[in-house]
Amino acid sequence: NAGVTQTPKFRVLKTGQSMTLLCAQDMNHEYMYWYRQDPGMGLRLIHYSVGEGTTAKGEVPDGYNVSRLKKQNFLLGLESAAPSQTSVYFCASSYLRGFPNYGYTFGSGTRLTVV
Amino acid sequence: GESVGLHLPTLSVQEGDNSIINCAYSNSASDYFIWYKQESGKGPQFIIDIRSNMDKRQGQRVTVLLNKTVKHLSLQIAATQPGDSAVYFCAETLGGSNYKLTFGKGTLLTVNP
Repeated sequence: NAGVTQTPKFRVLKTGQSMTLLCAQDMNHEYMYWYRQDPGMGLRLIHYSVGEGTTAKGEVPDGYNVSRLKKQNFLLGLESAAPSQTSVYFCASSYLRGFPNYGYTFGSGTRLTVV
Repeated sequence: GESVGLHLPTLSVQEGDNSIINCAYSNSASDYFIWYKQESGKGPQFIIDIRSNMDKRQGQRVTVLLNKTVKHLSLQIAATQPGDSAVYFCAETLGGSNYKLTFGKGTLLTVNP
């Protein structure tokens, strides 16, 4: 049982390059999320999805796009990377709301550096 | 928008002591709170959670206290161990049909042997 798997784990991009981060979950969770984590800022929600074929903006969506073509996958795209997007990106998934924990499971993160 | 914050960015304790990590939240409508532990190079890991209709909830060596009057949340770790060294985040959500979490900035706990 892998849980939430993120690929790649590390990446260095040049300004203006594009890339896609992949998140895969094997728990049949409905909800999936992309967060970014910066020093002193905690985790901030970029985009999220409440089901296959749906996406929505979070707190800091600018410069990112997402797609959820399959229930188990949630892709985060950077069309033209900027140094301000240097961060650690975490994917999470959850089952429909409930106590405890809202069923949140996080991946191990992708460390992205834009030079 | 309203956000969740922490009183102290760092906390250093001796092994065996009890640790208390604090969190202030500003959204009185928040219904559900979660504490996460994040070790270096890893994703956040669930520790314990509490609903707004509760004042206290206990787990294994951990207790979460909620004071809605002053919008304050705390995580107590009993007999702190070196393996407890990590960054601890609180998170809140409005509950109901809102499943998105808002995270605090985190507190770094260091346990000295």
